[in-house]
Amino acid sequence: DAGITQSPRHKVTETGTPVTLRCHQTENHRYMYWYRQDPGHGLRLIHYSYGVKDTDKGEVSDGYSVSRSKTEDFLLTLESATSSQTSVYFCATSPRALASETQYFGPGTRLLVL
Amino acid sequence: DQQVKQNSPSLSVQEGRISILNCDYTNSMFDYFLWYKKYPAEGPTFLISISSIKDKNEDGRFTVFLNKSAKHLSLHIVPSQPGDSAVYFCAASANDYKLSFGAGTTVTVRA
Repeated sequence: DAGITQSPRHKVTETGTPVTLRCHQTENHRYMYWYRQDPGHGLRLIHYSYGVKDTDKGEVSDGYSVSRSKTEDFLLTLESATSSQTSVYFCATSPRALASETQYFGPGTRLLVL
Repeated sequence: DQQVKQNSPSLSVQEGRISILNCDYTNSMFDYFLWYKKYPAEGPTFLISISSIKDKNEDGRFTVFLNKSAKHLSLHIVPSQPGDSAVYFCAASANDYKLSFGAGTTVTVRA
């Protein structure tokens, strides 16, 4: 398994506050992804990165920003958290940008916005 | 609009019997399909995949069948074991690395 950690693992915050989630990988994978998992929706792609400082939007990017200043770290920021952003967030990595390339997922961060 | 649908939220099966999980898709551009398995408090892990040029792929107890004309795929687990109790996500891709996931099916294997 790719070494992927996420921090924090759990967070409770209030509406309107900024929140940053961190994904750290030790596999030197070029591609990194942020997903959110919600009941009835499965996993939906928020943002992805195809290299250091190279990022792009996914399916549900509104209200989120990302940054990748080094290969191993991919940060997801909620500039002003809303209750609709209560979710479980997963980071994933892959060495190549191919559908056939397995994406390796971190353990997830459970975020509750009150 | 969800392009990958798993219409059965849950499935209960007796140990040793077959589990059949179904997945339907609407995007005819999808050409690669994957199944991921997820245990509670863990991230999803890759289970098995199939390219659109095939109609079957087998890996041990797991077999995925693809019916392109019906835009339908299924995952068969034979025989089902207690460790197979998990959430299973169907995912699809249209010639790139962006995956569209279904909502998941929770499988419970009864002893």
